[in-house]
Amino acid sequence: AQSVTQLDSQVPVFEEAPVELRCNYSSSVSVYLFWYVQYPNQGLQLLLKYLSGSTLVESINGFEAEFNKSQTSFHLRKPSVHISDTAEYFCAVSDLRGAQKLVFGQGTRLTINP
Amino acid sequence: NAGVMQNPRHLVRRRGQEARLRCSPMKGHSHVYWYRQLPEEGLKFMVYLQKENIIDESGMPKERFSAEFPKEGPSILRIQQVVRGDSAAYFCASSPDQSSYEQYFGPGTRLTVT
Repeated sequence: AQSVTQLDSQVPVFEEAPVELRCNYSSSVSVYLFWYVQYPNQGLQLLLKYLSGSTLVESINGFEAEFNKSQTSFHLRKPSVHISDTAEYFCAVSDLRGAQKLVFGQGTRLTINP
Repeated sequence: NAGVMQNPRHLVRRRGQEARLRCSPMKGHSHVYWYRQLPEEGLKFMVYLQKENIIDESGMPKERFSAEFPKEGPSILRIQQVVRGDSAAYFCASSPDQSSYEQYFGPGTRLTVT
């Protein structure tokens, strides 16, 4: 069984400041890792994913996440945030068998202040 | 290609009534997942279905909840005799096949039990 811990339930930052949203996971098997974003009153959108290969993955809107196997972490970072990044961010894992359930963290609410 | 469709988007039921939530997966997708998001919590897996089959229902409450994905038509999540604790956002996701690691989410149905 897998579990995901997002250590920060809320993260307030000022516009153009850097941000890191932390995610740690626990699993007895190898996993795929995901970050999803949920804008207010909307469904979840896939932000980025780690499947294999380079441990640093990037999204089209400037976010990046680094898979650290020894620390079982997949922290999300952005060097300069924008007001439009205000949303809830969920870290999730699934095992490698494909077509399997996602296990989500509790979510981190990112609030960008002008 | 339309995304995952869910209806209704908002549903209000009195205690004891039945709630029926519908999910139409993306075109060509034959795998459907249901997740529940309680207030201030992350998403929790409920059930995974393929056409006419329940593959994994390990997250479904033992009583009052059922799900189906018929050969024709949308997937249905049914909650009988709703209680206040059933108030939540219910999200459906779909994927194309058994080897797919990526799930595409619908906008959700927000159920309020009064």
